[in-house]
Amino acid sequence: RKEVEQDPGPFNVPEGATVAFNCTYSNSASQSFFWYRQDCRKEPKLLMSVYSSGNEDGRFTAQLNRASQYISLLIRDSKLSDSATYLCVVIPSGGYQKVTFGTGTKLQVIP
Amino acid sequence: SQTIHQWPATLVQPVGSPLSLECTVEGTSNPNLYWYRQAAGRGLQLLFYSVGIGQISSEVPQNLSASRPQDRQFILSSKKLLLSDSGFYLCAWSQDSEAFFGQGTRLTVV
Repeated sequence: RKEVEQDPGPFNVPEGATVAFNCTYSNSASQSFFWYRQDCRKEPKLLMSVYSSGNEDGRFTAQLNRASQYISLLIRDSKLSDSATYLCVVIPSGGYQKVTFGTGTKLQVIP
Repeated sequence: SQTIHQWPATLVQPVGSPLSLECTVEGTSNPNLYWYRQAAGRGLQLLFYSVGIGQISSEVPQNLSASRPQDRQFILSSKKLLLSDSGFYLCAWSQDSEAFFGQGTRLTVV
């Protein structure tokens, strides 16, 4: 099983729709979780951290389910500018803390 | 604040030529360092990661190698490039619960 798995998509959604991505991880000792956004031909950039209690940033909501070992990203009222690839990032606790990036889920918001 | 520099931004190299991409990090010490490749339309593929000077782990067998001669310097190399080495190469660093990417190098092997 891969350390971090994401559905590559693409997810094609109309403007204004709500869309959700999941990311599963295999290491139960994972401690820190993030969502990154990558625009076409650019480097990934931090979108938001994922906290155990769940957290919201405007139209974006991130959640963590430790029991099932997945994190999710919910985007409400999708905008054309949300079109990008979304990568999840998992960092284990202790040791060398090797960061694992998911391969990304591509979102295309359609007018 | 921590910054990461990666160069060059764009590179066109003939098949069979050598490659050297450099990545340096400022504002931190003893970071974990990574090299990723992203083929056109594909996801990130981890190539190498390093937890310290001279310590390199290779994730996939390939035509590339990596070295970490200094704490904050990570170099990706090849003796002879193949057409299949074309792609977007990203350096990243992490420490504690932070991770950042360099701006990437777009390599085209012709």
